[in-house]
Amino acid sequence: DIQMTQSPSSLSASVGDRVTITCRASQSISSYLNWYQQKSGKAPNLLIYAAYSLQSGVSSRFSGNGSGTDFTLTISGLQPEDFATYYCQQSYSTPRTFGQGTKVEIK
Amino acid sequence: VQLVESGGGLVKPGESLRVSCAASGFTFSNAWMTWVRQAPGKGLEWVGRIKSEGSGATTDYAAPVKGRFTISRDDSKNMLYLQMNSLKTEDTAVYYCTTVNRGSGSYYNNLFFEDWGQGTLVTVSS
Repeated sequence: DIQMTQSPSSLSASVGDRVTITCRASQSISSYLNWYQQKSGKAPNLLIYAAYSLQSGVSSRFSGNGSGTDFTLTISGLQPEDFATYYCQQSYSTPRTFGQGTKVEIK
Repeated sequence: VQLVESGGGLVKPGESLRVSCAASGFTFSNAWMTWVRQAPGKGLEWVGRIKSEGSGATTDYAAPVKGRFTISRDDSKNMLYLQMNSLKTEDTAVYYCTTVNRGSGSYYNNLFFEDWGQGTLVTVSS
């Protein structure tokens, strides 16, 4: 199975900050990498697919980058509604696996 | 798109439970569907997937549930099911059904979980 490792596990940031979350795969997954946002008590929401493609309706504050084993999710200009947990997920092979999550908290 | 899970509840270890997902707002018969679960306070875990009938309705499962869980669908009712047998305490989780979509062009094989239900809680405890 492909292991997905996110860093950091949590971070504190202020409104307006630029935040970057990293996701590393245990083997090359090309660009088969998706990002989800999950707010407390809610279902996850797709943000980015295929490493950098922004899902329809998602704010352009969110951007994704990377290929191979190393990927990033960047939030430019953090807004109050962005405080949540973020997960990466690989779609290169079955079983589909998620990172452990990165919780973005208010500083 | 609307996905509504139901059927969760409290069961004892070793018992069975079937959870359902009612789909609307899209052509369900053409859709690949998945189940994803989340144990309390933990991250997301892929449970399994069923393809559309047109793609053979084949299924794949995560190792921890293979042989115990079965995903099925009834396209005439726009319903997705997860039959869970021989339940263990570690199966306690919120179970989400999701649609599966794919990228375009060179990313056609990139599958992602596009729409999610609100989840149904399954608690396995004696």
